[in-house]
Amino acid sequence: AQSVTQPDIHITVSEGASLELRCNYSYGATPYLFWYVQSPGQGLQLLLKYFSGDTLVQGIKGFEAEFKRSQSSFNLRKPSVHWSDAAEYFCAQDLIFGKGTKLSVKP
Amino acid sequence: DADVTQTPRNRITKTGKRIMLECSQTKGHDRMYWYRQDPGLGLRLIYYSFDVKDINKGEISDGYSVSRQAQAKFSLSLESAIPNQTALYFCATSSARFYGYTFGSGTRLTVV
Repeated sequence: AQSVTQPDIHITVSEGASLELRCNYSYGATPYLFWYVQSPGQGLQLLLKYFSGDTLVQGIKGFEAEFKRSQSSFNLRKPSVHWSDAAEYFCAQDLIFGKGTKLSVKP
Repeated sequence: DADVTQTPRNRITKTGKRIMLECSQTKGHDRMYWYRQDPGLGLRLIYYSFDVKDINKGEISDGYSVSRQAQAKFSLSLESAIPNQTALYFCATSSARFYGYTFGSGTRLTVV
């Protein structure tokens, strides 16, 4: 069965620091991979997606993610975190979601 | 108006009661989904539908049923609610597998 693993339950970074959230996906010849963000009390918003082509994908809000087939990973990155990025982030492969990583931002 | 509307936003119901959660969309998408979110467990798929005549069970369909009344409407029912169905329920839509979802704002359901 498909599975998506987000190894980090909670991450804290300082404002202005770089961010990397990890995601590992299970098998799939053509993985349909997504990152979503959920702000407190809100629904989920699509940040970016990958299914083919350039392995470095750009999304909204300054986020990017890199697909690495050899590592079965699709990690989310942002060069400089803003306080408004504090939220929960979910990686998904097709219909299956990871358990999420909560991001806290220190002033 | 929101692209994906869920009603009600909040609901408290008693154990054993039947309850329906409704979802409607103006995106024109064929695909609709129901997920539940529990703290620490992420989102788990309950049911999904790729068109009006297509209904599929997800990983946690026991205790739930769905109805796809039209392309734009997808309802989730709890036939006899139990406390461990207390959760945040999300409806989502998509036009194709690789486009990702548009989510509703969620229904917070409490079963007492």
